[in-house]
Amino acid sequence: QKEVEQNSGPLSVPEGAIASLNCTYSDRGSQSFFWYRQYSGKSPELIMFIYSNGDKEDGRFTAQLNKASQYVSLLIRDSQPSDSATYLCAVRLSGGGADGLTFGKGTHLIIQP
Amino acid sequence: DAGVTQSPTHLIKTRGQQVTLRCSPKSGHDTVSWYQQALGQGPQFIFQYYEEEERQRGNFPDRFSGHQFPNYSSELNVNALLLGDSALYLCASSLARDGGRYGYTFGSGTRLTVV
Repeated sequence: QKEVEQNSGPLSVPEGAIASLNCTYSDRGSQSFFWYRQYSGKSPELIMFIYSNGDKEDGRFTAQLNKASQYVSLLIRDSQPSDSATYLCAVRLSGGGADGLTFGKGTHLIIQP
Repeated sequence: DAGVTQSPTHLIKTRGQQVTLRCSPKSGHDTVSWYQQALGQGPQFIFQYYEEEERQRGNFPDRFSGHQFPNYSSELNVNALLLGDSALYLCASSLARDGGRYGYTFGSGTRLTVV
């Protein structure tokens, strides 16, 4: 059974610091990896996607993927109070076609002003 | 550019009843997926529709069924509602030729409460 594991938190980070969110997955066939941000009572919003080993940067966000260790992470630099939300890690198995995502339970991030 | 729209936003049903939720995908998208998100949990994949057919299904009973129309919009039907079906139901759309590589756009969801 495909599993995605995240520390549920809460993870508390001071404003301006780097927030580091981690995710492990069980299925070695996983091809694509996504980070979604979800504010309380709202729907998930895509922040980053990555499918190659290494780092991918977009503004203050960096996604890191290590397929050998089955590990994906999200770094948020210069954390802002507006970054306080639940961050969901999701993986997609197939390299072709459109397949369903498997989500972790999410990490609740709190940025302290 | 219209995003994913879902209706209704909130719904209260009684155990044993049936419910239909609706979704219009983002303009240009042709694939619709449905997810169930219980409180404090990540979304769980229910099923995906493309070309009016169910392409893939998650671990949900047959009480959950769906449909996709020629204009790519979709419905999720749940029969014989249980208290445990209370959740946020999310619709996500994508473009099949992208193979989901770029992620999925979620609608704002339908909050279903079963009493």
